[in-house]
Amino acid sequence: NAGVTQTPKFQVLKTGQSMTLQCAQDMNHEYMSWYRQDPGMGLRLIHYSVGAGITDQGEVPNGYNVSRSTTEDFPLRLLSAAPSQTSVYFCASRSGGSEKLFFGSGTQLSVL
Amino acid sequence: EDQVTQSPEALRLQEGESSSLNCSYTVSGLRGLFWYRQDPGKGPEFLFTLYSAGEEKEKERLKATLTKKESFLHITAPKPEDSATYLCAVQAPGNTDKLIFGTGTRLQVFP
Repeated sequence: NAGVTQTPKFQVLKTGQSMTLQCAQDMNHEYMSWYRQDPGMGLRLIHYSVGAGITDQGEVPNGYNVSRSTTEDFPLRLLSAAPSQTSVYFCASRSGGSEKLFFGSGTQLSVL
Repeated sequence: EDQVTQSPEALRLQEGESSSLNCSYTVSGLRGLFWYRQDPGKGPEFLFTLYSAGEEKEKERLKATLTKKESFLHITAPKPEDSATYLCAVQAPGNTDKLIFGTGTRLQVFP
């Protein structure tokens, strides 16, 4: 099992550009989520999903969209990138019967 | 406001020098407290879940404990490979799908 796979690992965008961060898991987990990690701040929840077709907002959802068309994939879309979205983004998943989150290795995003 | 505060921000230990990391929380009705380890350039890795005051969990040189206001991660006789950032998180009240993370303690263990 590969676990949680995130692509790309690094990305540089210009202000106003859009892009999609990819996240896939091969553990058949119902729950998937996106966090961002900034210096001096804890991981903050952006969006999460408890199953295919179901998504909900986390703590900092503005400027991001998600969808969950399959159990395996949970892409995060930046609609119009802003410098404030410069961060490291982590995708995580867990099974419905467990509290243990499995994290991907992250995407480092810079918005100029 | 629900909050998680970790201290110290950074800790340098000599190999074999035991110490403790602190995680204090203010949340109404704790449902679960989590410890994760994060290595540079990687995602957090799960260590422990604690649910009620008095509970303890152990894994190798690590032991996590929980009181009504804080949790401690005790590191006994640490080795250089224990160097990492240790994150604490609590479940948000009323929603087990949301975790509130602290900023972490960066631990360095040198030979």
